[in-house]
Amino acid sequence: DVKVTQSSRYLVKRTGEKVFLECVQDMDHENMFWYRQDPGLGLRLIYFSYDVKMKEKGDIPEGYSVSREKKERFSLILESASTNQTSMYLCASSLFTASSSYNEQFFGPGTRLTVL
Amino acid sequence: GQQVMQIPQYQHVQEGEDFTTYCNSSTTLSNIQWYKQRPGGHPVFLIQLVKSGEVKKQKRLTFQFGEAKKNSSLHITATQTTDVGTYFCAGPRRGTYKYIFGTGTRLKVLA
Repeated sequence: DVKVTQSSRYLVKRTGEKVFLECVQDMDHENMFWYRQDPGLGLRLIYFSYDVKMKEKGDIPEGYSVSREKKERFSLILESASTNQTSMYLCASSLFTASSSYNEQFFGPGTRLTVL
Repeated sequence: GQQVMQIPQYQHVQEGEDFTTYCNSSTTLSNIQWYKQRPGGHPVFLIQLVKSGEVKKQKRLTFQFGEAKKNSSLHITATQTTDVGTYFCAGPRRGTYKYIFGTGTRLKVLA
């Protein structure tokens, strides 16, 4: 069974703090994703990584950065947390296939971040 | 930019009634995925459709990919309380592995 774990289920931080969200997957997947989920907006992609040290911006990268030093681990960093970054953060991973014919995403349980 | 829209946003049905959610993309998609998120849970993959006009069934769930590969639907026959949750469709940005998710349809089933 694919397992994607996230470092915290709930996190409370103060405005201006640097926040690290960690995600680990155990299925040797090449692709990893960070999304945020807000009511009425669905899931929005923040960053995507297709290999170690490789990353691409998603739809809403402003205020965030990422790090992928090892294949199994993908970190999301909020450089200076703000109240509008209060949200549910979901990590996902998927296998890479050259034909792109099958790339189901496996999600972690999510981290609910509150920025005060 | 490329968008994926989903309707309705909410749907309340009596147990035993049918339910359908619709997904529309502004561009042609190479494939479309459907996910289910139970209340308090995370999205779980249901299915992927790749071919134009494709129809796939999973027990009471029927998934359809439009002929033009720009729309899709999920139909649940005779809903049960276990069907409660939010259903998302997702399509890839052209030429990438980055998926755009629809806003989701939240289904409530009244017993």
